[in-house]
Amino acid sequence: LAKTTQPISMDSYEGQEVNITCSHNNIATNDYITWYQQFPSQGPRFIIQGYKTKVTNEVASLFIPADRKSSTLSLPRVSLSDTAVYYCLVGDDSNYQLIWGAGTKLIIKP
Amino acid sequence: NAGVTQTPKFQVLKTGQSMTLQCAQDMNHEYMSWYRQDPGMGLRLIHYSVGAGITDQGEVPNGYNVSRSTTEDFPLRLLSAAPSQTSVYFCASSYGTGAETQYFGPGTRLLVL
Repeated sequence: LAKTTQPISMDSYEGQEVNITCSHNNIATNDYITWYQQFPSQGPRFIIQGYKTKVTNEVASLFIPADRKSSTLSLPRVSLSDTAVYYCLVGDDSNYQLIWGAGTKLIIKP
Repeated sequence: NAGVTQTPKFQVLKTGQSMTLQCAQDMNHEYMSWYRQDPGMGLRLIHYSVGAGITDQGEVPNGYNVSRSTTEDFPLRLLSAAPSQTSVYFCASSYGTGAETQYFGPGTRLLVL
């Protein structure tokens, strides 16, 4: 079965770039890797998704190496409002069930 | 376009009571799912559906039932509430079944006494 590993927590400062890595093995070869953001008392919100190499949108970049055994969410120039929990989501390669990471609590300091 | 809606927002139950959590989406998504999230923890999949008339169990299905009679609605039934079911419940929907964009509802906070 697929398994994901994320750091439990990270700290950074306003204006810095933050990189959060999720390790994942046995993931579906033809499925996306997706990242979500969750604020307290809210449902998770989609940030970015990719299949391989690099994807960039208006809020983040996602780096996926060729072996797809990990993915790195990059948040440029973070602000206090980026304080949240970030989850990676992958699909299992045997039963195609969705596997969520345990989440990384990111705290941004002034 | 309301997205994914959930009712109620908050509910208190006594042990042994039953209730239904409602979930509806207006995006014509085939895939819908229910998660529970305990304090400080990640999401755990309860049940999911890949289309009307089709449901399947997730990671933690015991004590819950679902049905999918229409594309839009996916209610979650607690058969006999237990304190261990105290949690926040999220409903989500997506166009496909893979790890693509899922849209989440605002959640239902359930307290079982």
